[in-house]
Amino acid sequence: LAKTTQPISMDSYEGQEVNITCSHNNIATNDYITWYQQFPSQGPRFIIQGYKTKVTNEVASLFIPADRKSSTLSLPRVSLSDTAVYYCLVVPVDRDDKIIFGKGTRLHILP
Amino acid sequence: DADVTQTPRNRITKTGKRIMLECSQTKGHDRMYWYRQDPGLGLRLIYYSFDVKDINKGEISDGYSVSRQAQAKFSLSLESAIPNQTALYFCATSDPLSLAGSDTQYFGPGTRLTVL
Repeated sequence: LAKTTQPISMDSYEGQEVNITCSHNNIATNDYITWYQQFPSQGPRFIIQGYKTKVTNEVASLFIPADRKSSTLSLPRVSLSDTAVYYCLVVPVDRDDKIIFGKGTRLHILP
Repeated sequence: DADVTQTPRNRITKTGKRIMLECSQTKGHDRMYWYRQDPGLGLRLIYYSFDVKDINKGEISDGYSVSRQAQAKFSLSLESAIPNQTALYFCATSDPLSLAGSDTQYFGPGTRLTVL
């Protein structure tokens, strides 16, 4: 299963766009890239998933370059309520395998 | 997510006691998971089950056991609790064919366990 690497923490300000990059050099052909958000004392919740190029939903955008060795979660115009831990995961879809969350990126939004 | 419930929500126990944490889901998912979370260490997978007859160890299974009583129920046991098992425990379910995203996981509210 591909290991992911992402920054331990990031700070930003309200109204700014925040980009969190994740590297997954050993991603397999049929693996998807998935991001979760976790608030304190709550379980993580799914934000977005993609395979290649760009995916956008009402919460975020996910950019994946052609080589798929990295991905960038983009949060537009963040607010204080976006302060959370963000996890980048590689999800195998063609085999039964466990999913590893890792330590995530602690995002702190300042006023 | 109210579709995944965990009991108890909080538990304080003593070293050496046997503890069971229970997880129930109404989402109809075959896959269920147990994680623990310690400050600064993210989520670590303890055990996972892809169907009622399938149980697999995760990253940190030592000191824990699980039971998959039915599709909807997955219990985690600490046979003899020790202080370094003090943590926040999460149960999750997933469906590999979910329209929300491949194998999207849905988490329960967590159980805060303190071992004295």
